[in-house]
Amino acid sequence: SELTQDPAVSVALGQTVRITCQGDSLRSYYASWYQQKPGRAPVLVTYGEYNRPSGIPDRFSGSRSGNTASLTITGAQAEDEADYYCLSRDSSENHLLFGGGTKLSVL
Amino acid sequence: QVQLQETGPGLVRPSETLSLTCAVSGGSITNYYWGWIRQPPGKGLEWIGYLYYTGSTTYNPSLKSRVTLSVDTSKNQFSLKLNSVTAADTAVYYCARHQTPRSTGIFSWGEFFDSWGQGTLVTVSS
Repeated sequence: SELTQDPAVSVALGQTVRITCQGDSLRSYYASWYQQKPGRAPVLVTYGEYNRPSGIPDRFSGSRSGNTASLTITGAQAEDEADYYCLSRDSSENHLLFGGGTKLSVL
Repeated sequence: QVQLQETGPGLVRPSETLSLTCAVSGGSITNYYWGWIRQPPGKGLEWIGYLYYTGSTTYNPSLKSRVTLSVDTSKNQFSLKLNSVTAADTAVYYCARHQTPRSTGIFSWGEFFDSWGQGTLVTVSS
């Protein structure tokens, strides 16, 4: 089993962008999303459905439909330019999976 | 706010064992799951494994034969050992606190790593 992400996505400043993560396991399990900037550790931005850690702006939201988990950024800012990774549990084996990552460019 | 710090050698010889420790401060290691994740240069994240404070472990099947995770509750730290390393094991290694429905009791929160160490680069080279 695997989690598939688009390698690169771009969005105009202030617009809305959705980054997706597809996989069969997402029909059974929820995803979490991580933002990673160059040379830095990943930061959790959303987990499950519509949950955000304290300190994460409310423009970040996570959701799930069928075999797809989505991270939506409403009103993207320049500082949102980063790599984004999804994580979930594999449905056939007792382990975790990361998606391959999506590089977000804010134009 | 819990903080994590990875320590260990930055250079390991091929075929030897990579050993890292993650010190947890600002909170107890008890009652939580803790994990290791790595990232080869220029590549994505790879989950290595996680353990409960009791010592129960779960490993990535692709690394299971070479990985051992352990915990020392008296020192509030946990450790990673990866044996028979090759150049393919060169990566930044992160430790993190793992939240799971088994610990949160909330299935709709899913699995997530909510606190991460800064990461440490380990290079495998002779």
